[in-house]
Amino acid sequence: QVQLVQSGAEVKTPGDSVKVSCKASGYTFTDYYVHWVRQAPGQGLEWMGWIKPNNGDTKYEQRFQGRVTLTRDTSTRTTFMEVTILRSDDTALYYCARGSRVGGPRSASDIWGQGTMVTVSS
Amino acid sequence: DIQMTQSPSSLSASVGDRVTITCRASQDIKNYLAWYQQKPGKVPNLLIYAASTLQPGVPSRFSGSGSGTDFTFAINSLQAEDVATYYCQKYDDAPRTFGQGTKVEIK
Repeated sequence: QVQLVQSGAEVKTPGDSVKVSCKASGYTFTDYYVHWVRQAPGQGLEWMGWIKPNNGDTKYEQRFQGRVTLTRDTSTRTTFMEVTILRSDDTALYYCARGSRVGGPRSASDIWGQGTMVTVSS
Repeated sequence: DIQMTQSPSSLSASVGDRVTITCRASQDIKNYLAWYQQKPGKVPNLLIYAASTLQPGVPSRFSGSGSGTDFTFAINSLQAEDVATYYCQKYDDAPRTFGQGTKVEIK
């Protein structure tokens, strides 16, 4: 079935980097945008950015520009989200989610990964 | 950037009640508005897209309406399993901003 499977939980120290993966299955990987959303403990959903898997184009929420990098590996149908210079307020559950079909009409995110908890603590 | 203002932040209602949540965009987003349900400890689940279209498999007691800047989400006849936080999200363009969320509880 169509699914996104993310990598496991991470514990990091302030100043570290973290790279979370999101592996797609059940659909043509390069046909759909992948979005990343995070949720701090007890807080709401925060959109971070998207990647277009067919060509690697990216778009970021302004506050994450320069500190978050989205990449993909088409051979393994996997997208990656890297956050650098981690701070304690980056502690959150990070989700990947399928977006619009490339070249198609805009659509909401119908498929979500299970989430990856990233804890930043000294 | 377009801001999304969702209200109320929480509500408490009885089983069988009709509950409504509003979401306001700071600029016209046409009908590029989705509603998600997030149960405690679970992944967000898409309920409604294009402001009023139910995702397949979503019970018909859920509904959405609106276009432009003002949107409404409703649960007709609230059920115990509807306890969750509900979020609106614009998807006309990046950033795909979410509303602040509405926590729905049973009285």
